[in-house]
Amino acid sequence: GAVVSQHPSWVICKSGTSVKIECRSLDFQATTMFWYRQFPKQSLMLMATSNEGSKATYEQGVEKDKFLINHASLTLSTLTVTSAHPEDSSFYICSARDFWRTETQYFGPGTRLLVL
Amino acid sequence: SQQGEEDPQALSIQEGENATMNCSYKTSINNLQWYRQNSGRGLVHLILIRSNEREKHSGRLRVTLDTSKKSSSLLITASRAADTASYFCATGNQAGTALIFGKGTTLSVSS
Repeated sequence: GAVVSQHPSWVICKSGTSVKIECRSLDFQATTMFWYRQFPKQSLMLMATSNEGSKATYEQGVEKDKFLINHASLTLSTLTVTSAHPEDSSFYICSARDFWRTETQYFGPGTRLLVL
Repeated sequence: SQQGEEDPQALSIQEGENATMNCSYKTSINNLQWYRQNSGRGLVHLILIRSNEREKHSGRLRVTLDTSKKSSSLLITASRAADTASYFCATGNQAGTALIFGKGTTLSVSS
C-alpha cells in the first residue's frame, strides 16, 4: 500500500528557533498534501492544503508567515514552523492524496513538536 | 474547521461487548471515513463509505451512513482490549479536498 513518511518523528527545540518537518510520499505521486495539527486529547485540525508547484492554501486562523509550506516536488512537502513558541507544541500530521485515486488520502505517522 | 460532533466522547466497555460510536456532520459529502488513533500515534484508516452507500462491513466493523440525517455510526463487534483507541470520522466533500475530522470518541476496552 501507499506509504507516507514524516521526518523527524520527534523534535524538541528552544523557543524562537525554526523547525522544518518533511512529508514524503514514498511510492506514489502526490499533487496535493495536507497539513493537520492535533493538540492533546483533541481532534485533527486542518492547517493548510499544499499543491505541488503553487502556493499553499491556509485555513482561517492559521498564520501563513509562521507556518511556511513548500511543495517543491510530487513527493515532498515541508512545513516550517518559524520562531516557534511553546504554544506551537503539538502533533503535526501530513496526508497525501494519490493523484490517481482521489478519494484516498494516506497519512504520515506524525511529528511531535515540543517547544521549550 | 470541524464537521461536527461524535458521540459519545468517551466509551468504556468490557471485552466481548459491542461498541457503537456516532458521527454527525454539517455539509454535503462525497464520502465518510473512519480512522483509529492509538495514543500518541498516527492514524489508521478503517473504512470508507460513499454517499450513495448505506452500510458497509469490514471484519468486526460495521459502518452505516444516513445522508438525510447527516450521520454515520461505527459498530465494533466483540471488542478486544486492542481496540482501545480514539476513533474519528472524517468527511470528504468532493474528490481531492482535505478530510475534515470530527471530534472523536475515546474507546476503552477492559479485559
